[in-house]
Amino acid sequence: GENVEQHPSTLSVQEGDSAVIKCTYSDSASNYFPWYKQELGKRPQLIIDIRSNVGEKKDQRIAVTLNKTAKHFSLHITETQPEDSAVYFCAHRTGGYNKLIFGAGTRLAVHP
Amino acid sequence: EAQVTQNPRYLITVTGKKLTVTCSQNMNHEYMSWYRQDPGLGLRQIYYSMNVEVTDKGDVPEGYKVSRKEKRNFPLILESPSPNQTSLYFCASRPTSGRAYEQFFGPGTRLTVL
Repeated sequence: GENVEQHPSTLSVQEGDSAVIKCTYSDSASNYFPWYKQELGKRPQLIIDIRSNVGEKKDQRIAVTLNKTAKHFSLHITETQPEDSAVYFCAHRTGGYNKLIFGAGTRLAVHP
Repeated sequence: EAQVTQNPRYLITVTGKKLTVTCSQNMNHEYMSWYRQDPGLGLRQIYYSMNVEVTDKGDVPEGYKVSRKEKRNFPLILESPSPNQTSLYFCASRPTSGRAYEQFFGPGTRLTVL
């Protein structure tokens, strides 16, 4: 009941296009949904997060949407740039709030 | 500078030789955690600690030990490493009050067990 499914596992887009990554979870008590970006050889870095009382949050070219009824949330990157190329992980905090469960990751490649 | 540090960053060892990976944070965070990252599996939690002397198992605790004797330190101990523990390990910390959401990761430790 704690796992999160992340799709797609790889995503290739042209510079300037949009990219969307989707995650589905099953724990209805989850209340926090962060997205992390991990560049090659680096640590995961938080890029945006959303709490369960908000449906959408935007920060410049990135946005996250949350549908608690359907138990899924998505990362949207607009006007992609080559420096957006990285692995992106979704996560959710489970009921009890002590554990952050991560998706398997999406490798995004933005081609010039 | 607020940060989480890990040592060593790279380690090659042999089966059965006990090792410790250290983790330290200077942000006075109560919560600390260890993850391992393997291709196609994302980050999986090994152990976590809500505060000093309080630790609990994550999803993949077998073969690992931890201790939390001081607030800033959370070492990961492999008593008898095996090849299936070859992985990239991350330590992380966050507060448990106020903005008790954002988790900060250390730089990672790449462990190879031969």
